Amino acid sequence: GENVEQHPSTLSVQEGDSAVIKCTYSDSASNYFPWYKQELGKRPQLIIDIRSNVGEKKDQRIAVTLNKTAKHFSLHITETQPEDSAVYFCAASRDTGNQFYFGTGTSLTVIP
Amino acid sequence: DGGITQSPKYLFRKEGQNVTLSCEQNLNHDAMYWYRQDPGQGLRLIYYSQIVNDFQKGDIAEGYSVSREKKESFPLTVTSAQKNPTAFYLCASSPGGFGREQFFGPGTRLTVL
Repeated sequence: GENVEQHPSTLSVQEGDSAVIKCTYSDSASNYFPWYKQELGKRPQLIIDIRSNVGEKKDQRIAVTLNKTAKHFSLHITETQPEDSAVYFCAASRDTGNQFYFGTGTSLTVIP
Repeated sequence: DGGITQSPKYLFRKEGQNVTLSCEQNLNHDAMYWYRQDPGQGLRLIYYSQIVNDFQKGDIAEGYSVSREKKESFPLTVTSAQKNPTAFYLCASSPGGFGREQFFGPGTRLTVL
């Protein structure tokens, strides 16, 4: 089956700096890669996703890049704000089975 | 809150007892999922169902059971065979098909006393 690894497990940045979280996957058939944000005590919510026919996708201050050859994808948050503090999960899925494989999460702290 | 609910929010059980966690959605989604969340281990899939009356085991199905008799409901039973059941349990649903967002419920925190 698929194996998704996520790094780093914790990340602290100063407000206004950028944050980057990286994930690798093992199954070359995976072709959908969502990112979820989970604030303390709340449910995970989708913040951005990317499909394998696209190399990069942006939504305001967040962006995701995908390198299919190397089988890794990354989340980039620019101009970080204290409300960006949360746990972020990457995931991988393919078009059969509809099963999602999640990374172990990155706890991001933005220091005011 | 996305139309997917879980109850109860907190649940306590004694060792040796079975307990059932509720998950209901009114989003008309075909697929539903149960995840277990432990610190530092991310979300691990217990069971998922893509259609009524059908479900598949995930990576950590041992000691758990599910049913999918109705499209909107996907209850999870934690049996006494589950060795370490204390955890946060999340239910999710999605429209089904490829590349569709999963919507999560608020979760149930189960503590075994």
